Amino acid sequence: DIQMTQSPSSLSAFVGDRVTITCRASQSINRYLNWYQQKPGKAPNVLIYGASNLERRVPSRFSGSGSGTDFTLTITNLQPEDFATYYCQQSYSIPLTFGGGTKVEIK
Amino acid sequence: EVQLVQSGAEVKKPGESLRISCKGSEDSFTSYTISWVRQMPGKGLEWMGRIDPKDSYTRYSSSFQGHVTISADKSINTVYLEWGSLKASDTAIYHCARDVTSMDHSWFDPWGQGTLVTVSS
Repeated sequence: DIQMTQSPSSLSAFVGDRVTITCRASQSINRYLNWYQQKPGKAPNVLIYGASNLERRVPSRFSGSGSGTDFTLTITNLQPEDFATYYCQQSYSIPLTFGGGTKVEIK
Repeated sequence: EVQLVQSGAEVKKPGESLRISCKGSEDSFTSYTISWVRQMPGKGLEWMGRIDPKDSYTRYSSSFQGHVTISADKSINTVYLEWGSLKASDTAIYHCARDVTSMDHSWFDPWGQGTLVTVSS
């Protein structure tokens, strides 16, 4: 199974900050990497697919990059509605696996 | 817009059986596979397996194979997740999600609202 490791597991930031979350795969997954946002009591929602493709309806302050084993999710100009938990997920091979999550909190 | 609507919360005792459901809103339901994802209390997301409602072809994570059964009834656009004998450790929220494929990539969208399963004596 491909292990997905996210860092940090949590972070505190101010509104307006730039935030970067990293995700590392235990083997190369090319660009088969997705990012999701989950708010408390809600189901996750996709933000980025294929490492860098922004899902429609998702604000342009979200961006993704990377390939192979190392990926990043960047949020520029952090907004109050962005405080949530973020997960990466590889779609390269079954079993599909998720990172452990990064909780973004208000400082 | 496709929606997935899941059955309501359940409270069960260890050893009991259970089937929860996930119903799609469109007839294109059979054009996509549907996955189930577990989220234990306060924890992250774990992929359990998926099914193609068109022919009921199913793939499981080895972590869940043998403990749950995923099935589908395409005539009513519904996918199921079933346990024959629940354990306390099955307490979790279970999400269904559609597997979208485009440009050689796949991702989960949309997700059902989640079904809370509580197993306690």
